[in-house]
Parts: sequence; C-alpha cells; structure tokens
Amino acid sequence: GAGVSQTPSNKVTEKGKYVELRCDPISGHTALYWYRQSLGQGPEFLIYFQGTGAADDSGLPNDRFFAVRPEGSVSTLKIQRTERGDSAVYLCASSRQGGRGGGGEQFFGPGTRLTVL
Amino acid sequence: AQSVTQPDIHITVSEGASLELRCNYSYGATPYLFWYVQSPGQGLQLLLKYFSGDTLVQGIKGFEAEFKRSQSSFNLRKPSVHWSDAAEYFCAVGTDNNNDMRFGAGTRLTVKP
Repeated sequence: GAGVSQTPSNKVTEKGKYVELRCDPISGHTALYWYRQSLGQGPEFLIYFQGTGAADDSGLPNDRFFAVRPEGSVSTLKIQRTERGDSAVYLCASSRQGGRGGGGEQFFGPGTRLTVL
Repeated sequence: AQSVTQPDIHITVSEGASLELRCNYSYGATPYLFWYVQSPGQGLQLLLKYFSGDTLVQGIKGFEAEFKRSQSSFNLRKPSVHWSDAAEYFCAVGTDNNNDMRFGAGTRLTVKP
C-alpha cells in the first residue's frame, strides 16, 4: 500500500481481555516502531523492530505487552489482561532502515484507538 | 534524563498572522530533530527534520525551523498561517544513543478567521 495501515481503527474491550492490534508498514521498510499516545500527550515509544527481530523493547510498560513481526513485514501488538490504563491510541510507524536517532524519517499510520471498559 | 518540552499547550492565531511554536530539548548527545503535525483522525505527518548542516531547515506547507544549539531549541515558524494549519504539532528528538524518537506533549494550534 501507499502508507502505513493499522487495523482495527477502533477497539473496545473489557478489562481483563486479550487484544491484538495489527500494523502493515510501507513495503520495503525494514524498521517498524510501535508507540502509545495517551490523551493530551505525545507518542511514547514502545518497541522497535529491525526486520523480524525486536531490536529494542525498552518502552514496553510490562510483560502484559508483547509484539511480533514474524516475516519482517506485518507486526502485531498483543496486550494480555487489559487494564483501563491501557486505553490510548496505539501508533505504528515504519522507516526505510531504522537505527540510531530514530531511523531517519518515520512514516506513521492513523493509529488504533483502544478503549478498555 | 532526556526530555523534550513544548511550553505552549495551546496557541490561537489569526489567519494570515505569523506563527512560532517552541521546542526545547535536553540531551547529551547530538540530536536529530523533527516536527510532526497531527490532524484529527490522521496519522502524524513529518513537516521537517534536522540532522546536520544548515541550522535553518525548510519543510513542507511553508514551515521552517531553526536549530539553536546554544539554546537547545528547535522552534517551528510560518510567516502566514492558513486555516488548514489548525492541528496538533509535535516536536521530536532522536539521538545516537537511542533507536527511537522522544516526543514533546504537543501544541494545539487554533486558527481564527
């Protein structure tokens, strides 16, 4: 596709449930990033993939959060035992090569708005 | 600790007026600096970036920003604002010590007719 796409655009779930959020990066981009944006805040880094591997997962808040990118393209962010505090917009971004400094220009998807009731 | 500060939460300007959005950062390493714009329901769009070289950077939509190392600032400017510029603006910083970008809290711009 022409840009980064994310599905679903909105997700409402109940506390304690499991959710998966999907990201389709720009074709050919080796680097993929997940961010979380809470209301009134800037995006907060969660995890960075270079190819299939998680090169930096230092931003994941706890072990309920996990992400995969098995074929080096699509990525899935998984949240177990969701809590109300997980409610936020989850943003995905990709860049051509990644690396230090944020990998140059990152292209962002429209985000998935997660609401935990 | 590394941080990015956007001192103004909300700014209102009249259409046609000039604009300056402030951004200050606190990093020990050489910064890579970015400004992004986010419209409602839209993804973040890059306006401009600074990696090295000329400290005055031109971006899309008539925006420019100036890197001032002595002031640890990277303020965004536009000489004449259009109603379509109303959005949320984020300053972001990357460094050689990190793989990610760190974002400020954002400045919401309202444009009066």
